[in-house]
Amino acid sequence: GQSLEQPSEVTAVEGAIVQINCTYQTSGFYGLSWYQQHDGGAPTFLSYNALDGLEETGRFSSFLSRSDSYGYLLLQELQMKDSASYFCAVREGGDSWGKLQFGAGTQVVVTP
Amino acid sequence: DAGVTQSPTHLIKTRGQQVTLRCSPKSGHDTVSWYQQALGQGPQFIFQYYEEEERQRGNFPDRFSGHQFPNYSSELNVNALLLGDSALYLCASSRQLAGERNEQFFGPGTRLTVL
Repeated sequence: GQSLEQPSEVTAVEGAIVQINCTYQTSGFYGLSWYQQHDGGAPTFLSYNALDGLEETGRFSSFLSRSDSYGYLLLQELQMKDSASYFCAVREGGDSWGKLQFGAGTQVVVTP
Repeated sequence: DAGVTQSPTHLIKTRGQQVTLRCSPKSGHDTVSWYQQALGQGPQFIFQYYEEEERQRGNFPDRFSGHQFPNYSSELNVNALLLGDSALYLCASSRQLAGERNEQFFGPGTRLTVL
């Protein structure tokens, strides 16, 4: 079957580092995306990995290992505004523009 | 530069009714994808429109249909509504030639409640 697994919730204090893991099993794989969604808001794009390795964008970094069907999102120097749900999503094919398969999401709770 | 807009923001219908949701993509985008997001779950892909045609479809019944207009805006239609259709419906736009980032820009969604 096709599935993406990620933890349901992570709690951390301001200034800490949080790693959200994502393992996937899909019929095809072209790349792994990460999206952030605040309560009542729209998902917003954070990062995309098509090749193995680490992509860094400010306080957020994303990693991919295609051989392990695994990726993670690293949130550094956590701020209260980072409290949100984070989704990993797989793009299954080179021609599958827009067709993303999402995980169930990880709720990150940042405490003072 | 306007982002993705959707209307209406909220909608209440009863079982068996039909509903039409609307989406205007971000300026410069030509591809619209629709997603259904149940409470506490990730978005589920419904279908994608490009050049006024349905290009890809997820595992949704034929009760779900759509349309894309020449100005790239799109509609999602759901017939014979079921209680299980209650969800947040998200529209996402992108450009076919955007490169490898595959970045989707999501609208705020339409919250559909079926009673």
